[in-house]
Amino acid sequence: ETGVTQSPTHLIKTRGQQVTLRCSSQSGHNTVSWYQQALGQGPQFIFQYYREEENGRGNFPPRFSGLQFPNYSSELNVNALELDDSALYLCASSLKGKGHNEQFFGPGTRLTVL
Amino acid sequence: DAKTTQPTSMDCAEGRAANLPCNHSTISGNEYVYWYRQIHSQGPQYIIHGLKNNETNEMASLIITEDRKSSTLILPHATLRDTAVYYCITPYGGATNKLIFGTGTLLAVQP
Repeated sequence: ETGVTQSPTHLIKTRGQQVTLRCSSQSGHNTVSWYQQALGQGPQFIFQYYREEENGRGNFPPRFSGLQFPNYSSELNVNALELDDSALYLCASSLKGKGHNEQFFGPGTRLTVL
Repeated sequence: DAKTTQPTSMDCAEGRAANLPCNHSTISGNEYVYWYRQIHSQGPQYIIHGLKNNETNEMASLIITEDRKSSTLILPHATLRDTAVYYCITPYGGATNKLIFGTGTLLAVQP
């Protein structure tokens, strides 16, 4: 158990819809990163938030957006869902600014787009 | 990001040491080597990291070659619960916050 929680655990949407995934960071952590993991692949970095500001982004289109709240919890929003968006979405929290610290991952949200 | 190369899969007998290799020949001087693992249906879990010295913690040992172009993760006494995909990662610019995962090595520990 890492202390990082995600909701919901599973979600089914249809193409074109919008989805919001939620992440609660480990206590004391100020940074959250989001990853997409397609079946049989390693996680792919989507973006990172530090103190409520986006702090780096991977190769994902603008319809992937996020928020980080003052309590450091976070949301990932995906608009205009496509079939290829079906994946496991992982969030990871860490404490930025204190040397090299590992990321603590949540269990993920399994999104299926039909 | 330095690119890493790992074998697709490996087997190990329960109770024996598991040695997982990783090549990172383009690694730069300030890039650390990190290892994570992902047990089926769970999020990745940090194992260990190092720069140029060998490192050991309660989970594993990390051996980095002197030229830093490769490393080996050692699980000294593998158990069935160590069956997982193991990822060797060299985060961009030494920062830990943007992990670029490859496809990793599937370690199957056999009874």
